[in-house]
Amino acid sequence: KAGVTQTPRYLIKTRGQQVTLSCSPISGHRSVSWYQQTPGQGLQFLFEYFSETQRNKGNFPGRFSGRQFSNSRSEMNVSTLELGDSALYLCASRGRTSGDGELFFGEGSRLTVL
Amino acid sequence: AQSVAQPEDQVNVAEGNPLTVKCTYSVSGNPYLFWYVQYPNRGLQFLLKYITGDNLVKGSYGFEAEFNKSQTSFHLKKPSALVSDSALYFCAVRALYNNNDMRFGAGTRLTVKP
Repeated sequence: KAGVTQTPRYLIKTRGQQVTLSCSPISGHRSVSWYQQTPGQGLQFLFEYFSETQRNKGNFPGRFSGRQFSNSRSEMNVSTLELGDSALYLCASRGRTSGDGELFFGEGSRLTVL
Repeated sequence: AQSVAQPEDQVNVAEGNPLTVKCTYSVSGNPYLFWYVQYPNRGLQFLLKYITGDNLVKGSYGFEAEFNKSQTSFHLKKPSALVSDSALYFCAVRALYNNNDMRFGAGTRLTVKP
């Protein structure tokens, strides 16, 4: 069974640009969560989608948005990039949508903003 | 709201010695508790979880964790450390009443020296 796939793995953007990151969950998983990982802030929750609906949202500005498609694939978008957006963006899916379901993470998309 | 604390940024142990990575949590009601490991430039990998029942939970790669409700702790342990265990370890909590929101600790970097 294939794991969570994130594309692209690495990307470089300049301030003011926008970026779209993609995540394909494990087959059969309908829940997809996004996290931002930085050395200073650790893992910060961005949002979770289930069946194309945003179920939960972290404390990030409106520049950060996401969506989920009918095949459970998800994208996140960051507009008007700032230097502080440089981070590893991790996507995770889970099959059990009850609270005891563990997250399965992709390898991340490393964004560098110059 | 739930939260997790990992009081040690760094843990150093010698190969063959037992290791402990500490985690304490704060949550209203009963928690679901998780441990993940992250190797350089990779996503997080699930190690083990506590849901209910036996306080000692066994997981992947010989790791185990002990749930202590009175001390609100969930320390990760391994009887004999390997150099290959060197990585970043994250503790996470999700509250029973809010299964959409998994909160992570800041992480503990484990270094096992030969």
